[in-house]
Parts: sequence; C-alpha cells; structure tokens
Amino acid sequence: NAGVTQTPKFRVLKTGQSMTLLCAQDMNHEYMYWYRQDPGMGLRLIHYSVGEGTTAKGEVPDGYNVSRLKKQNFLLGLESAAPSQTSVYFCASSSVDRVGGYTFGSGTRLTVV
Amino acid sequence: SQQGEEDPQALSIQEGENATMNCSYKTSINNLQWYRQNSGRGLVHLILIRSNEREKHSGRLRVTLDTSKKSSSLLITASRAADTASYFCATDWQGGSEKLVFGKGTKLTVNP
Repeated sequence: NAGVTQTPKFRVLKTGQSMTLLCAQDMNHEYMYWYRQDPGMGLRLIHYSVGEGTTAKGEVPDGYNVSRLKKQNFLLGLESAAPSQTSVYFCASSSVDRVGGYTFGSGTRLTVV
Repeated sequence: SQQGEEDPQALSIQEGENATMNCSYKTSINNLQWYRQNSGRGLVHLILIRSNEREKHSGRLRVTLDTSKKSSSLLITASRAADTASYFCATDWQGGSEKLVFGKGTKLTVNP
C-alpha cells in the first residue's frame, strides 16, 4: 500500500531548465493537488485536479503547468525554472468525501541555481 | 492567501505536559482538519471536524471548533517526545470545497 509516491525526491536545476515532477497514487482518489512549501509561508496550492483530464489553478500557478491524463497520475511541469521556484513540492490526493483527509507524498526538494 | 492562522508559531513543553494549539480562519467552512508534519516529511492527516460539530476526540487528541469565533484548537494530552513536529490546520471553503487552504503551522517541541 504505497499511498502517494513522488519522484524525484531531490533535484538541482539550472535557471531556464525544465523538468517534470511525477505524482502517483494507488488509492483510486478523484482529487489530486500540488503544493509548495517555503519557510515561513506554510503550504500554498499550485494546481489541482478533481478528476482525470481536468486541472485548475490554485493560489500560485504562475510558472507551472500540470496534466492529469490518467486518474492515478498528476504531473507538475516547470518549463523554465527560476530561483524563486526553489522549494519543497508536495503532492496530495483525496477521495471526494475527504473523510480521511488528504494523503501526502514525501515531497520533492527542488533547488534552482 | 492563507485562510487559517495557527497560534503560537512555536511551542516548547516538557514530556507529559499538554500542548494546545489554536487556529483562526476568516470565512465560512465545511470542515477543518489538522495535520502533523515531522521534519523533512510529508503531512499526515490527524483529524477532521465538520462545521456542525463542536468537539472531536482521537486518542490523545482533542479538537474543538467554534464557528461563531471562526477558531479551532488542538489539544495533545500527555505529550511525548515523538509528538515533536509542526502542526497545521487546514480549511476547505464553502465556496470551493474541493480545495484545502493551510495555515503556516505551529512548531511543537516536546523535551524529554
């Protein structure tokens, strides 16, 4: 029972490079989310999805794109990385009724130099 | 923008003492949740309280909700060193209930 798996766990990018963060869940959850966590800022919602093929913007979507081609996967893309995107990124998923709350992955620590 | 704000930002207690953390929020909610985050790890769901509930218990955790004051508290009784973590409240807005908005957290240190 893996829950939510994020890959990679760590990554260092140069400014202007692109990358994709992968989130996979095996709980058949409808909803999936990408958050970023910065010191003193708590968690901020980047994008989210309420079902396969759907995505929506969160609080801080600029500079990121997402795709949910399969129900179990939610991809977060950075097209041209900037130092301001240095952060820890968390993926989460939940059922529609959210009885058990969100299930979070262990995070991806991204550094943009 | 942050919906919930935890208070205090940091709390240090001795093992065996009770720890109380508070959360205030701004708009009407469907439910409020509390999460724990150990250093370098993801968040773990602790408890959910719905807007029509006033108190809920889970093991050593007690959560209260006062919708008239738009506030909630999390009480951890008989704390242990393993309770050392950051604790976050999260609310889902009635207007957009598929999203959770998190506060900045309370960092709890339980000294052995």
